[in-house]
Amino acid sequence: AQKITQTQPGMFVQEKEAVTLDCTYDTSDPSYGLFWYKQPSSGEMIFLIYQGSYDQQNATEGRYSLNFQKARKSANLVISASQLGDSAMYFCAMKRGGADGLTFGKGTHLIIQP
Amino acid sequence: KAGVTQTPRYLIKTRGQQVTLSCSPISGHRSVSWYQQTPGQGLQFLFEYFSETQRNKGNFPGRFSGRQFSNSRSEMNVSTLELGDSALYLCASSSRPTSGGAYNEQFFGPGTRLTVL
Repeated sequence: AQKITQTQPGMFVQEKEAVTLDCTYDTSDPSYGLFWYKQPSSGEMIFLIYQGSYDQQNATEGRYSLNFQKARKSANLVISASQLGDSAMYFCAMKRGGADGLTFGKGTHLIIQP
Repeated sequence: KAGVTQTPRYLIKTRGQQVTLSCSPISGHRSVSWYQQTPGQGLQFLFEYFSETQRNKGNFPGRFSGRQFSNSRSEMNVSTLELGDSALYLCASSSRPTSGGAYNEQFFGPGTRLTVL
């Protein structure tokens, strides 16, 4: 069975600092995708970034980058220069190559302080 | 392009009742997936519909069912509601089915918050 582990239930970070949100995963499938979503208090899940298991380079999307270490089965999200609007729940998710929905971690509640 | 819409946004029901939630995907998207989010269990995959056919189903009892119409709009039904069904139900749309590979960007709606009393 596949599993996503996010070990940081909550984090407090000063505005403008960089943030690293941890995510480890477990799967025996060679083909899989890793996703990060942001969920503000409104409830909507916002897609941030994607990393494929065969991608050679770490994914980047603006201020978001994914530190993908395949051998360690980790896919940490790095947010550079954090902003107050980054305060939200952050979920790491995985999808296998076959017929499945997304498997989510428990999430990290990030609070950016001024 | 309009995003994913879900109706109603909030719902209060009592135990034993049934409920129907609706989801309209992004125009042109034919895949609709449903997820349940609770504080205890987190986000869990319920099922996916693509071109009016259920493609995948998560580990939920038969009380949870759904369907998809020819315009890709989807409904989810929960019969004989239990207190534990109180949750945020999220719908996600995608341009291709989740079986289409490891890359499957799903666009989520705002959710329907169901409270069972």
